[in-house]
Formats: sequence, structure tokens, C-alpha cells
Amino acid sequence: EAQVTQNPRYLITVTGKKLTVTCSQNMNHEYMSWYRQDPGLGLRQIYYSMNVEVTDKGDVPEGYKVSRKEKRNFPLILESPSPNQTSLYFCASSLVGTGVIDTQYFGPGTRLTVL
Amino acid sequence: GQQLNQSPQSMFIQEGEDVSMNCTSSSIFNTWLWYKQDPGEGPVLLIALYKAGELTSNGRLTAQFGITRKDSFLNISASIPSDVGIYFCAGQLGNTPLVFGKGTRLSVIA
Repeated sequence: EAQVTQNPRYLITVTGKKLTVTCSQNMNHEYMSWYRQDPGLGLRQIYYSMNVEVTDKGDVPEGYKVSRKEKRNFPLILESPSPNQTSLYFCASSLVGTGVIDTQYFGPGTRLTVL
Repeated sequence: GQQLNQSPQSMFIQEGEDVSMNCTSSSIFNTWLWYKQDPGEGPVLLIALYKAGELTSNGRLTAQFGITRKDSFLNISASIPSDVGIYFCAGQLGNTPLVFGKGTRLSVIA
């Protein structure tokens, strides 16, 4: 089954404790992206990657890191989480074809609480 | 970052009624997408539009790509309780990242 998976689905942590949220897709998509969703703000892009070893900042990259060593995986790293990073996080992936990013498929979400 | 203006923010409608929501942008896009998000889930693509003026249907859903390339609307006909959720529009120009609207929260009263 074609899907985007994220782990963990729920995480409660404390300020300053490094964490990683994993994202994996099995559709051989070049493009992967991370979003955060907050009430009243919709979806805001954190980072995206057009292909392996190519990553770029989105709208709200501060406090986050990503890596793209393999095509299928795109982990989101919070080196020193803070309470304002409490949010619902979504990973998404899509094909890149004929110069246009195809429709994005979203993972199920990771709800992060930083105390 | 750039934002789309999506309206209305929320809607309460009776089952069986038609629904209309729209998105506008100050800049042009060459792709418009409409997603639905159920509680506790990630957004799921409903309709994708790739050409100005394009009108596309998916069951009871119809979406149009505005002729100016700066707007799009989504209509839902004869709403049912399972239409409840948050609907997001998203626009894209070339390979630039998707820009999302803030969502329309739809509630259906049986």
C-alpha cells in the first residue's frame, strides 16, 4: 500500500531534550516536506527536499533541522525543543515531473507537546 | 511567507444543503489543490486543478481554477454528515513549495 508513515504519532517531551520525528514514504517520490499545523494558522511549511541531499527552508524553519540521505526518509530534528514548538506535524511527499511538483500525499501526523 | 485568503473560516449548515468556499491570492498559481482533513488525520487530496478556467468534479464535489489564476472555489452539493472536517486550498507555481490557506471548518447539522 502506497503511504507516508510518521513516528511517533504522539510525543510529550521536555524543553531542551533533542528529538527526531521520522518520515518514510514507499512511493519513490523525489519531493518531501514537513509542515506544522496550529489552530487558526493552517499548514505552514518547515522544510522541504526536492531530492536526496537537497533541502531548503520553508516558511518557519527556525528551531528545526532535516536531512535527506535516502530518497524514502526525511527525518525532522528538534535539537533543543521549546514549548512554542508544541504542534501537530505532518510529513508529505510527491513526485516531481515536467518541472511541476505533483500532488502531495500526507502522513497521519505527529502530535508533539513540549513542556 | 505567502498566505492564501480562504473563506469562510467556518460554516454550519444543514444536511442536504450545498456548500461553497473559496481561496484568493495576490499572486498567480499554475496549480490549485483542495484537501480535506478529518479529525486526527492528515489532509487528503480531493481535487487537483492544473489549468486556468478548469472545472473538475469528484462525486458531489466541484472545484474551479479561476480564469485570473489567482482564485479557486470548491462546491459541495447535498452535504452529508461525513462531509464534516477542515477543507484546505493550496496553490503552487512551478516547483515552488505549496502555499496553503488557513482552512474552512465545515460542520453539518443532521
